[in-house]
Amino acid sequence: QVQLQESGPGLVKPSQTLSLTCTVSGGSISSGSYYWSWIRQPAGKGLEWIGRIYTSGSTNYNPSLKSRVTISVDTSKNQFSLKLSSVTAADTAVYYCARDLAGIASHWGQGTLVTVSS
Amino acid sequence: EIVMTQSPATLSVSPGERATLSCRASQSVSSNLAWYQQKPGQAPRLLIYGASTRATGIPARFSGSGSGTEFTLTISSLQSEDFAVYYCQQYNNWPPPWTFGQGTKVEIK
Repeated sequence: QVQLQESGPGLVKPSQTLSLTCTVSGGSISSGSYYWSWIRQPAGKGLEWIGRIYTSGSTNYNPSLKSRVTISVDTSKNQFSLKLSSVTAADTAVYYCARDLAGIASHWGQGTLVTVSS
Repeated sequence: EIVMTQSPATLSVSPGERATLSCRASQSVSSNLAWYQQKPGQAPRLLIYGASTRATGIPARFSGSGSGTEFTLTISSLQSEDFAVYYCQQYNNWPPPWTFGQGTKVEIK
């Protein structure tokens, strides 16, 4: 059973870059036709899809965040990562990583809270 | 971007009763619609994909229907563990973004 786990700083200063890593266990990140996604959720609010990556390196990003987002993959470590630049308080949220098959997020990490504050 | 609208925002239901949740898309998404359940402090869990196919391990009391722009999630007899927030998500448009509804909270009446 595949499992995902987010990791990274819980506090980021405004204007800096948020960096998170998702470690995949229970299976190879390179196997199957899966994309690997990031989704976020501000406190008390709904879900926002950030973007995704295939193990070939092909990416799709939410146009609302595209200018600030970079998603990368390290198949040797079975990990993929999120970088979000120039953060503001509006980027404070729980960030989830998920496995995406044709747009369906079947497996999710537990989520990690990132607070943007000085 | 396809906008997903869920109704109602909150649904008050007694245990054992049926709950019917609605999701509307701003344009057709065919059957490329998923439903997720989220409990407090937990990640969302996939319930339904393809508008009507239950995910692995999901009880038969959960059913999905619809296509195009109108979708329904039905919980036939609410159990205590079903009180949660439910989100719909479309994955039809190419390229992404995939978009979610704002959620329906199912609470105990």
